[in-house]
Amino acid sequence: ETGVTQTPRHLVMGMTNKKSLKCEQHLGHNAMYWYKQSAKKPLELMFVYNFKEQTENNSVPSRFSPECPNSSHLFLHLHTLQPEDSALYLCASSQVASGANNEQFFGPGTRLTVL
Amino acid sequence: GQQLNQSPQSMFIQEGEDVSMNCTSSSIFNTWLWYKQDPGEGPVLLIALYKAGELTSNGRLTAQFGITRKDSFLNISASIPSDVGIYFCAGQSGGTSYGKLTFGQGTILTVHP
Repeated sequence: ETGVTQTPRHLVMGMTNKKSLKCEQHLGHNAMYWYKQSAKKPLELMFVYNFKEQTENNSVPSRFSPECPNSSHLFLHLHTLQPEDSALYLCASSQVASGANNEQFFGPGTRLTVL
Repeated sequence: GQQLNQSPQSMFIQEGEDVSMNCTSSSIFNTWLWYKQDPGEGPVLLIALYKAGELTSNGRLTAQFGITRKDSFLNISASIPSDVGIYFCAGQSGGTSYGKLTFGQGTILTVHP
């Protein structure tokens, strides 16, 4: 599947580093999402963008900063993270519209380790 | 907020056996989705359900949208080793929650050859 791509696939960073995760969708969708997946926990929705506008910030700490320059690209900028932020970060996209069914398609994820 | 209770948390079965897992919710959903996640990959959509009572199949997989709209189940028939993975249910309530899915905790499936 190449509908939603994410880079890098793996990232190790120190607590003082600044890095960015990138997501690109090739499905023509109008909504994109960031999720955090930690061990033994359900997927946690972090941010939602509809038509490039952020419509949801699920009480995410400010050390995570999303950016959506267009409907095909989504970034997650990371700075001064904590070890407990280590997780798999998943990007997803969907077509959201009145009456449409919100089937979300996921990328392969970025495995983030914070030292 | 909304919560989904997915069970069982894990299953260990022999190849060829049938598998059943389910999700229950404290609130009503308009859409139920079932995903499978392989190690090191993102979840892949298996089946989408849009109407109460709907029964949908995808190969050896069958899923149903409960009549009460608060539950859904997924069955896998004649399991094979490549069915191994984590299965997630997800629900969407619609309205102002457009675009938001609530996920279950996942069912870890192990298939012994």
